[in-house]
Amino acid sequence: DVQMTQSPSTLSVSVGDRVTITCRASQDINRWLAWYQQKPGKAPKLLIYTASTLDTGVPSRFTGSGSGTEFTLTISSLQPDDFATYYCQQYRTDWTFGQGTKVEIK
Amino acid sequence: EVQLVESGGGLVQPGGSLKLSCAASGLTFSGSAVHWVRQASGKGLEWVAYIRSKAKNYATGYAASVRGRFIVSRDDSKNMAYLQMDSLKTEDTAVYYCTRHVEYDHTDYWGQGTLLTVSS
Repeated sequence: DVQMTQSPSTLSVSVGDRVTITCRASQDINRWLAWYQQKPGKAPKLLIYTASTLDTGVPSRFTGSGSGTEFTLTISSLQPDDFATYYCQQYRTDWTFGQGTKVEIK
Repeated sequence: EVQLVESGGGLVQPGGSLKLSCAASGLTFSGSAVHWVRQASGKGLEWVAYIRSKAKNYATGYAASVRGRFIVSRDDSKNMAYLQMDSLKTEDTAVYYCTRHVEYDHTDYWGQGTLLTVSS
């Protein structure tokens, strides 16, 4: 099984801050990685797939990078709507999600 | 409206069974895999199972936590997918989401989720 280790678990930030979330896979998953945003009571929303492809309609302040086992989600300038929980997901072999990163107001 | 709609959730006693349904509206499951994902209250996302497309011989896969108890199926003629859940445990309590995953591409739709509660 592929394990996904996501960090940090919580980020306390302010509007305008640059945010970086990291995800590490236990084995090479090439670029089969997605990032999701989830708000309370809602289904996850796809932000990025194949490590760096922005889904339709997702603001350009979100960027994804990495390949193999190390991946990063960056929000260049956090906006009020971005306070949420973020998950990475590998889909190289079955699916595995990271533990999640809650981005909260400082 | 283009959407996936889950149904069939509810309250079940431990050891019981339930079947969840996922209906595709305004889109088709053909050519795509259907995955089920669950989320216990206040917890993270957990992948449950998948069923691939006809081109992939409707291959299935299951998380270790549900293997042998859950069965995933689909009916492309009805644009429906199903998750049969048997021998339910309290730890199966969660919101269950169905998703459409375009083969060798990405997941493009999620349902709104249906709540399963396993309790005596």
